[in-house]
Amino acid sequence: AQSVTQPDIHITVSEGASLELRCNYSYGATPYLFWYVQSPGQGLQLLLKYFSGDTLVQGIKGFEAEFKRSQSSFNLRKPSVHWSDAAEYFCAVAPRGGYNKLIFGAGTRLAVHP
Amino acid sequence: ETGVTQSPTHLIKTRGQQVTLRCSSQSGHNTVSWYQQALGQGPQFIFQYYREEENGRGNFPPRFSGLQFPNYSSELNVNALELDDSALYLCASSLSGASGPGGDEQFFGPGTRLTVL
Repeated sequence: AQSVTQPDIHITVSEGASLELRCNYSYGATPYLFWYVQSPGQGLQLLLKYFSGDTLVQGIKGFEAEFKRSQSSFNLRKPSVHWSDAAEYFCAVAPRGGYNKLIFGAGTRLAVHP
Repeated sequence: ETGVTQSPTHLIKTRGQQVTLRCSSQSGHNTVSWYQQALGQGPQFIFQYYREEENGRGNFPPRFSGLQFPNYSSELNVNALELDDSALYLCASSLSGASGPGGDEQFFGPGTRLTVL
């Protein structure tokens, strides 16, 4: 079955510290890969996406993610976290071809200490 | 450029009632997808509309239905509401090419919070 796993429900980091949020997927073939962020009362905002090519993807707000086919992973990283990064982060996959159905993980809630 | 808007923002209904949620897609977008996000969970795909036709459906019963209008706005209808239908309902729009949707970036609205008592 197609699924996305985000092993960490909550993560707390200090402002200025580095961040890595984990994402593993189970899919028949390499899907499209996405990271979204959701702030309270807001919709989902796309941080970055991987379709093909370079496995290190740069996104908005200083985020990057690395696709590792051998590990079926797409981990999100940021070298220095800002207090405004506190939010819920969702990893998602979508099938190549066909309709654009996103399958989301359960999310990781990030708290940032000053 | 106007983003994706949804109405109403919040809604309270009782079990057995029917509800209609509305979504205006981003200007120029022709595809609308609906997702249900229960508290503490990730969004789950309900269905997608492309060129006014349902174009894929998730694991939701038939009492969840939808429409897409010629201006690409959309409605989500839920009949016979159950307590478990309480959730944030998200609408996302995208621009699909001539070959149909596939990997297109989806832009999400702020959602409608539905509470079923």
